[in-house]
Amino acid sequence: EVQLVESGGGLVQPGGSLRLSCAASGFTFSDHYMDWVRQAPGKGLEWVGRTRNKANSYTTEYAASVKGRFTFSRDDSKNSLYLQMNSLKTEDTAVYYCARVHSGSNCYDYWGQGTLVAVSS
Amino acid sequence: DIQLTQSPSFLSASVGDRVTITCRASQGISSYLAWYQQKPGKAPKLLIYVASTLQSGVPSRFSGSGSGTEFTLTISSLQPEDFATYYCQQLNSYPLTFGGGTKVEIK
Repeated sequence: EVQLVESGGGLVQPGGSLRLSCAASGFTFSDHYMDWVRQAPGKGLEWVGRTRNKANSYTTEYAASVKGRFTFSRDDSKNSLYLQMNSLKTEDTAVYYCARVHSGSNCYDYWGQGTLVAVSS
Repeated sequence: DIQLTQSPSFLSASVGDRVTITCRASQGISSYLAWYQQKPGKAPKLLIYVASTLQSGVPSRFSGSGSGTEFTLTISSLQPEDFATYYCQQLNSYPLTFGGGTKVEIK
């Protein structure tokens, strides 16, 4: 069974940092691109960015709203995806989901349960 | 960036109704569109990809159509478990973007 489990969310002050993790199981993690998607309270979905697989040199794509502040990484030996968030702003407050990219169609066939990041003083 | 406009943003319907949600793209995206269903407090669930392909395990009352700039998600006979918010997502170019959502509520 495919599972994605996010962790690391919490309350942080503006300007602070946080690192989210996404632990994957039930599939060959190293084969797949992985994305982060977030959802502010009561709002819609927002794509945060993508980490490609080793075959594609682990290259990344970032949303303009997070570029330069957020960094994606992955450790295929640990079946884990990471999101390092620096210089956090109140507008980064959201539930953060990791999602597996469906091979060939670019969409998400599996999602984690999400982890809440609250940026507030 | 490609903007996706969903309509309506809110829909009130009864069990058994046929429901259609539209997603319009600000520029052509071929068939690179997906639809998701989200229930309160839960992660989204993939329903349709490449505009019209039903994801495994999704009931056949859900269907998708369209290409280019106009797409539709149709629920042929609304069931109680279908009351949720629906999002489209374009997968044609970065940044990937979502529509604003359509909330389907019980009439």
